Amino acid sequence: QMTQSPSSLSASVGDRVTITCRASQDIKNYLAWYQQKPGKVPKLLIYGASTLQSGVPSRFSGGGSGTDFTLTISSLQPEDVATYYCQKYSGAPHTFGQGTKLEIK
Amino acid sequence: QVQLVESGGGVVQPGRSLRLSCATSGFTFSSYGMHWVRQAPGKGLEWVAVIWSDGNNKYYADSVKGRFTISRDNSNGTLYLQMKTLRAEDTAVYYCAKEARDVASFPRGWFDPWGQGTLVTVSS
Repeated sequence: QMTQSPSSLSASVGDRVTITCRASQDIKNYLAWYQQKPGKVPKLLIYGASTLQSGVPSRFSGGGSGTDFTLTISSLQPEDVATYYCQKYSGAPHTFGQGTKLEIK
Repeated sequence: QVQLVESGGGVVQPGRSLRLSCATSGFTFSSYGMHWVRQAPGKGLEWVAVIWSDGNNKYYADSVKGRFTISRDNSNGTLYLQMKTLRAEDTAVYYCAKEARDVASFPRGWFDPWGQGTLVTVSS
């Protein structure tokens, strides 16, 4: 089971934003983060808990290992409005977190 | 470039069956694990099933185990999801997704890219 917090978040442009994902068991660093903008297909942001996918802006970063992980946006931009999901891939089931909906204040 | 195109969605009555397809191109299909993920209207992502590159290992979410079957045809680059005894709660957009790295790599289980999805509506 993967538990994300918060479930929703409102922040101002330029703010530093952090989303947390907790695994129910040790998944080492087998964790990915995806961004899903409204009406769009999910897009890979980070894998291996902290490796930024090619083409993803450097304001996104990931951290953690074991059971506790974070996704951080260093300076929130309007185009970052989306729902963010963590996912474990340490073995089936490849469970997703319930999502964190990020809005601009 | 890599392309994943789902088809087969539609409106189906409860208890009936439906088969989804995911046609792929732009990569060596037989070298990658493939997944199905679904998203009910207004809800989050739910992982459904995985099939390994050689088709010999398959795993399912508890919510679909015994009703859904994932399969693949490595000769034509197509992934399938056979869905039986459909329920209203199976209503969702169904995405196919490719593992980001091939069978020779470890780890490899994150998804990139995803298809555009196909909508399945289970309703009488």
